[in-house]
Amino acid sequence: AQSVTQLGSHVSVSEGALVLLRCNYSSSVPPYLFWYVQYPNQGLQLLLKYTSAATLVKGINGFEAEFKKSETSFHLTKPSAHMSDAAEYFCAVRTYTGNQFYFGTGTSLTVIP
Amino acid sequence: DTEVTQTPKHLVMGMTNKKSLKCEQHMGHRAMYWYKQKAKKPPELMFVYSYEKLSINESVPSRFSPECPNSSLLNLHLHALQPEDSALYLCASSQVIARKGENTIYFGEGSWLTVV
Repeated sequence: AQSVTQLGSHVSVSEGALVLLRCNYSSSVPPYLFWYVQYPNQGLQLLLKYTSAATLVKGINGFEAEFKKSETSFHLTKPSAHMSDAAEYFCAVRTYTGNQFYFGTGTSLTVIP
Repeated sequence: DTEVTQTPKHLVMGMTNKKSLKCEQHMGHRAMYWYKQKAKKPPELMFVYSYEKLSINESVPSRFSPECPNSSLLNLHLHALQPEDSALYLCASSQVIARKGENTIYFGEGSWLTVV
């Protein structure tokens, strides 16, 4: 079964510093990959998605992610953290053929003033 | 319009009550999902409907009963729940077949359920 692993359940960065949230997938065939953000007491918002059209994917709020097949990774980055980026971030995978859509365990991002 | 609407936003129910959560989408999607999310945890897949038929049931207890009356609506009927069922319940929708051009799953804001 396809799955994603998020390394680091908690990440703290200073305001203005680089944000790096890690996601690795396990699949012999690159799946569809997504990053979602969840602010406190809210639903899930799509940040960006990998659809095999381009390995570097730009999303909303200045986030981007690079798909690296050799490393089976899809890490999320943002050059400069903002206080409003504090939230829970989930990497997710969708199968090509089915409708199974699974989340990683999530990474809680704290931004320090 | 990429929107999935869930009602109610908050629900408090007793363990002997019967209630329902409702979900609606008008994106023409023929796959709809229910997820359960506990605090500080990722959403867990419960059910998937494809073309209004139940295609995936992730071994969910029978006190949760899904229903898909038509292609736009998805319900989750609740009966004899336990306090540990208190969680955020998320509805989502997507195209049935994932394609390069459109494979996103869209989520609603969720319904916060408290069982007392």
